[in-house]
Amino acid sequence: SQKIEQNSEALNIQEGKTATLTCNYTNYSPAYLQWYRQDPGRGPVFLLLIRENEKEKRKERLKVTFDTTLKQSLFHITASQPADSATYLCALDRASGYSTLTFGKGTMLLVSP
Amino acid sequence: DGGITQSPKYLFRKEGQNVTLSCEQNLNHDAMYWYRQDPGQGLRLIYYSQIVNDFQKGDIAEGYSVSREKKESFPLTVTSAQKNPTAFYLCAVRGGGENSPLHFGNGTRLTVT
Repeated sequence: SQKIEQNSEALNIQEGKTATLTCNYTNYSPAYLQWYRQDPGRGPVFLLLIRENEKEKRKERLKVTFDTTLKQSLFHITASQPADSATYLCALDRASGYSTLTFGKGTMLLVSP
Repeated sequence: DGGITQSPKYLFRKEGQNVTLSCEQNLNHDAMYWYRQDPGQGLRLIYYSQIVNDFQKGDIAEGYSVSREKKESFPLTVTSAQKNPTAFYLCAVRGGGENSPLHFGNGTRLTVT
């Protein structure tokens, strides 16, 4: 069956460092992959989408890579700030229409001053 | 949220009672979704609707029911048949074409005792 894995352990880093979060998947051939941020008690907020034919996508301090051979996406936050502390979810999609998204369990990021 | 309203924020019910969670959107999007989130779990899809008067079961539809009589509204009823109804429920909408991101409401936390 399809499986999406994100590191269940929280990632603790110091302010100013680069945070790298991992999303691995199996038994899946997604056409797209999305990353969301979720703060406690709130709904997830969309951050970035990357297509299967794109190797890398950037948005301000965020960078996402997508390796369909390794079946892995990496999510980087450069120059991290305490305000970046949140849970980050990856979600996989299939091509065409209003297909449903399957979400990973998320990884909590804690950025200390 | 940004145009997606879930109410109430917190809901308490006694076991054996049905309860309806509200989701309203003013984004004029066609597709609407209900997800459930439990501690340490990813988002799990309950039901979704791509168009008025039509909806499909997600991965965990048992014990839930929905209706889509208006484009703006997609209420979710948690019935007494749902074995573990206590959870955080998230409504989302999707529009703007193929594989556009989900926009989530801020959720309803349901506690059944």
